[in-house]
Amino acid sequence: KAGVTQTPRYLIKTRGQQVTLSCSPISGHRSVSWYQQTPGQGLQFLFEYFSETQRNKGNFPGRFSGRQFSNSRSEMNVSTLELGDSALYLCASSLGAYNEQFFGPGTRLTVL
Amino acid sequence: QKEVEQNSGPLSVPEGAIASLNCTYSDRGSQSFFWYRQYSGKSPELIMFIYSNGDKEDGRFTAQLNKASQYVSLLIRDSQPSDSATYLCAVLNSNYQLIWGAGTKLIIKP
Repeated sequence: KAGVTQTPRYLIKTRGQQVTLSCSPISGHRSVSWYQQTPGQGLQFLFEYFSETQRNKGNFPGRFSGRQFSNSRSEMNVSTLELGDSALYLCASSLGAYNEQFFGPGTRLTVL
Repeated sequence: QKEVEQNSGPLSVPEGAIASLNCTYSDRGSQSFFWYRQYSGKSPELIMFIYSNGDKEDGRFTAQLNKASQYVSLLIRDSQPSDSATYLCAVLNSNYQLIWGAGTKLIIKP
């Protein structure tokens, strides 16, 4: 069974731009969670989607948004990029809302 | 007090010894507990999960859960240099939110 895939793997943007990251969960998984990880920091939870509905949201500004499609694929968008948004963005999928999560390889975003 | 706490380390263990990683949590109603390993520059990978009090073994790994004392541990027997990584503890709390610890950096010395 294919794992979680994320595209693109690497991205370089400049301040003020916006970016869209994509995540395809493991086949059959209906829950997708997004995390931000910066050097030396733990996983910072962004949001979780289950069956196209946002179930939980972390403490991030409204510039960070996401959505989930009917095929469980998910996208997250960051508008008006800031230097501090440079990070590894991880997507994780799980079978249900409360099951163990499996992570994709991540998208490394650099904001210049 | 953070909801899930881990010693940041680094924890240094000689090769072949037992590495013991600990995680405490504050929500007494927490239900599920997960251990992940993350190598530098890589994404976390699931090692094991535990729901019930007691021990759960998988190869060289043993998870121990004590709900009365609100801690969960991960033991790694016969530690290998390849076990050097950051170990993340995650707890599904009573609100069905998955809360992550900051991770413990483990170094296995040859």
